[in-house]
Amino acid sequence: DAGVTQSPTHLIKTRGQQVTLRCSPKSGHDTVSWYQQALGQGPQFIFQYYEEEERQRGNFPDRFSGHQFPNYSSELNVNALLLGDSALYLCASSKGTINTEAFFGQGTRLTVV
Amino acid sequence: AQSVTQLGSHVSVSEGALVLLRCNYSSSVPPYLFWYVQYPNQGLQLLLKYTSAATLVKGINGFEAEFKKSETSFHLTKPSAHMSDAAEYFCAVGTFSGGYNKLIFGAGTRLAVHP
Repeated sequence: DAGVTQSPTHLIKTRGQQVTLRCSPKSGHDTVSWYQQALGQGPQFIFQYYEEEERQRGNFPDRFSGHQFPNYSSELNVNALLLGDSALYLCASSKGTINTEAFFGQGTRLTVV
Repeated sequence: AQSVTQLGSHVSVSEGALVLLRCNYSSSVPPYLFWYVQYPNQGLQLLLKYTSAATLVKGINGFEAEFKKSETSFHLTKPSAHMSDAAEYFCAVGTFSGGYNKLIFGAGTRLAVHP
C-alpha cells in the first residue's frame, strides 16, 4: 500500500503564476482534503472533495480551486500566486465523509518568489 | 465553533524524562480528538485518536493521551523520551458540518530531546 502520494515534492513559482498540485489517495479511500501549512503554523483546512464534488470549504479565496477525478485522485490549483501562498500543502485521504481518521501525504513545498 | 489550543510552542526534555504536551479544545459537541506527529520535511502521522470510547487512549511509539471533559483537555504523554521523539506535534479536533468532516489543528508544539 503506497499510502497517500503527492507530487511534486517541491516547486518554485513566481508571483502571479498558476500552480497545480496533485494527490493520489490511499488505496480504498474516496475522500480527499487539502490543507495549507504555513511555516511555524498548524495545517489549515482548504477544502474537501467527495464523489468529484467540493463538499466543504475553509476560509480561502476563490483563487484556490480543486478537482477530484473518478479514480479519487485530486488536484489543487492556485491562481495569481502571492508571496503569502508559500507553504507546505498537505493532502489527506479518508474512507467516506464521516470517518475522521485522515491519512496524510508528505506534502508539496511551494515557494513563491 | 471548535478550536484547539496547544500550550507551549517549544518543549525541551532530557532523554529518559517524561514528555507532556498540552492540548485544550473547545467544542459544543462531543469531540473527536487526535494527535499527529510531523518529522522534518514530512507529512503528518497519526499518533492516536479519541472517539468517545475509553478516555485513556494508547497510541504508537509509547504515547498515550487522556481525555478530560471537565478540563476540556487532551494532553499527550510518554513516560520516557527517546531522541527519536524529537519532532513537531499537533493536536486536532474533528468537526462535522452537513455530514462532512474536517480537522482543526492547533499551532503545534516542537519537542526537543537532549542527551
